[in-house]
Amino acid sequence: EVQLVESGGGLVQPGGSLRLSCAASGFTFSSYWMHWVRQAPGKGLVWVSRISSDGSATYYADSVKGRFTISRDNAKNTLSLQMNSLRAEDTAVYYCTSGSTVTSYYWGQGTLVTVSS
Amino acid sequence: QSALTQPRSVSGSPGQSVTISCTGTSSDVGGYNYVSWYQQHPGKAPKLMIYDVSKRPSGVPDRFSGSKSGNTASLTISGLQAEDEADYYCCSYAGSYSLVFGGGTKLTVL
Repeated sequence: EVQLVESGGGLVQPGGSLRLSCAASGFTFSSYWMHWVRQAPGKGLVWVSRISSDGSATYYADSVKGRFTISRDNAKNTLSLQMNSLRAEDTAVYYCTSGSTVTSYYWGQGTLVTVSS
Repeated sequence: QSALTQPRSVSGSPGQSVTISCTGTSSDVGGYNYVSWYQQHPGKAPKLMIYDVSKRPSGVPDRFSGSKSGNTASLTISGLQAEDEADYYCCSYAGSYSLVFGGGTKLTVL
C-alpha cells in the first residue's frame, strides 16, 4: 500500500523558515516524480513544486520561486521542502504527492503550515 | 499562471449524469493532453480520478469519464451516487514546466 506521510508543519512568524518532510513507502520511490501541492484554508489546490525521479530536475510555481527548495533522498525514501522567507499567504495545508511529471497519482494527508505573528 | 475556470457548483439527483467543465487557454488545457481530475471529500486528501484527459486509474469506477474540446476539458459522472458528493479539481500542464489547477467545483447529490 502506497503511503505518504508529511511532517514538519507548524506555526512560524512571517519571514521565518520551515522544512517539510514526506516519508514514502509501499512503492519504488526512486522511480517517480514527486510534487508538493498546497491548499489554503477553505480554498482550492495550488501546485507548488516538483522534482524528477533522480532529483536532477526541479520546478517551482512563480509564487515560491527563490524562496522554496525541493529535494529528495532516494536512499531514505524521503521528500523535503525547505521554505524560507515565509509570508502570510503561504499559510496552507501542504500535500506531498507521487506520480508522473504532470500527474499526482497518490497523495499524503497533508501538514498544516501557519504563517502568523 | 491564472487558475483554470470551473463552475463553483453543480448538482444532480442519484442516477443522473453531471458534467463539470474546466476552461483554460491554448497555453494550458488546449495545448497539451495533460489534464487530470481530482476528487476531494471534506477534510480528506484529494484522489486522482482521471489523467491524461481521459484515462482512468485502476479502481476508479467507469462512471467517471473525461474529455477535452479545444480549451475546455470536462469530467462526466454518470449514474450519480451519494458518495460522489465532493469537491472536484481539474489540473493541466501549463508549459514552462508549470502546472495549474482549477478553482474547484462542489458537486451536490440531491
